[in-house]
Amino acid sequence: AQSVTQLGSHVSVSEGALVLLRCNYSSSVPPYLFWYVQYPNQGLQLLLKYTTGATLVKGINGFEAEFKKSETSFHLTKPSAHMSDAAEYFCAVSKGSNYKLTFGKGTLLTVNP
Amino acid sequence: DADVTQTPRNRITKTGKRIMLECSQTKGHDRMYWYRQDPGLGLRLIYYSFDVKDINKGEISDGYSVSRQAQAKFSLSLESAIPNQTALYFCATSDYEAGVVYNEQFFGPGTRLTVL
Repeated sequence: AQSVTQLGSHVSVSEGALVLLRCNYSSSVPPYLFWYVQYPNQGLQLLLKYTTGATLVKGINGFEAEFKKSETSFHLTKPSAHMSDAAEYFCAVSKGSNYKLTFGKGTLLTVNP
Repeated sequence: DADVTQTPRNRITKTGKRIMLECSQTKGHDRMYWYRQDPGLGLRLIYYSFDVKDINKGEISDGYSVSRQAQAKFSLSLESAIPNQTALYFCATSDYEAGVVYNEQFFGPGTRLTVL
């Protein structure tokens, strides 16, 4: 069975500071990994995904994530936080296109002025 | 107009009542999903459908049922609502192409359900 662990249910950063949201996964097969973002009162939207190929993936709004197989991690980063980045972020894992997503519990990002 | 719509957006009901949440999509996707979101628990899959005739239980299907009336419509029913079904419910859709490794899921805006 697959699972996702997001370390830290709440992360607070200052505007302009580095954003680092941590995600570790377990999977019996090479995983497909995703980060979704949920802005207040909205549904989830895809930030970025790793399926195969380059392990450093870039997403929307300046976010990127690196798949590290040896560490079973897929941490999300952004060099400089904006106020508009305040949202809840979910890491998810899948075994493939015919398999469902398993979501982590989410990390709420607060950006302070 | 939004590609994935959910009705109602908010609903308050009483224990024992039957409730139906509806999802419609204009994306032309075959695959549709129902999730439940609870604070601190993330999203959990209730049911999913890979096409009109293919409906599958997710990890928390007890107390719920679904109907896939057409490619574009996927309804979730609570036959007899109970307070611990109070949650935010999301519908999602995804496409499928043979040979494509993964297809993104697109989410609706959610339905906030309160069971008193």
